[in-house]
Amino acid sequence: ETGVTQTPRHLVMGMTNKKSLKCEQHLGHNAMYWYKQSAKKPLELMFVYNFKEQTENNSVPSRFSPECPNSSHLFLHLHTLQPEDSALYLCASSQDGQGEDTQYFGPGTRLTVL
Amino acid sequence: AQSVTQLGSHVSVSEGALVLLRCNYSSSVPPYLFWYVQYPNQGLQLLLKYTSAATLVKGINGFEAEFKKSETSFHLTKPSAHMSDAAEYFCAVSVPGGKLIFGQGTELSVKP
Repeated sequence: ETGVTQTPRHLVMGMTNKKSLKCEQHLGHNAMYWYKQSAKKPLELMFVYNFKEQTENNSVPSRFSPECPNSSHLFLHLHTLQPEDSALYLCASSQDGQGEDTQYFGPGTRLTVL
Repeated sequence: AQSVTQLGSHVSVSEGALVLLRCNYSSSVPPYLFWYVQYPNQGLQLLLKYTSAATLVKGINGFEAEFKKSETSFHLTKPSAHMSDAAEYFCAVSVPGGKLIFGQGTELSVKP
């Protein structure tokens, strides 16, 4: 595997389910990100982790819970979601979280909440 | 605060025609600017980035962008469009801490 991978690619869940999204980067980077991409809206940054420490929580509801056990893996735990949470969730990584660093994106998980 | 505005949510060109996608930014510090492309059912791929070196930046697939401080612009161009260029294009500015602020995106259609 190379680059940034995300699983699953598609997920359908009910509002009472609990599920997790997984992201793995094979680039040796130290910063990882979760973004939400909804139709007709700009990409929204959700969380930033730098060297496994959360450095940004962009006022995300608590029904989204991130976890970063090491610099290569990032999870997004989901529970009691709402239909408006349906979106494409993108993971990205960068070398050290600096402004000039390129962020490399995974293919995303398409989430549908029924 | 940093922000990005992309003029035109949809641009349509003929194959072989010039591609021009507009991006204006607002930044209180010297900016780092990026253009990404997203093909259907895929993540974002970097086309090019400006990091205060040359103002004319060349990227992949024949795209380039020019940083114009006086106009606070970073427009993306390609001399001759190909069918394979049809995708959504995002301009972004980096804020302190390495976060990216994205524009709303421009969908490029290429007509035969």
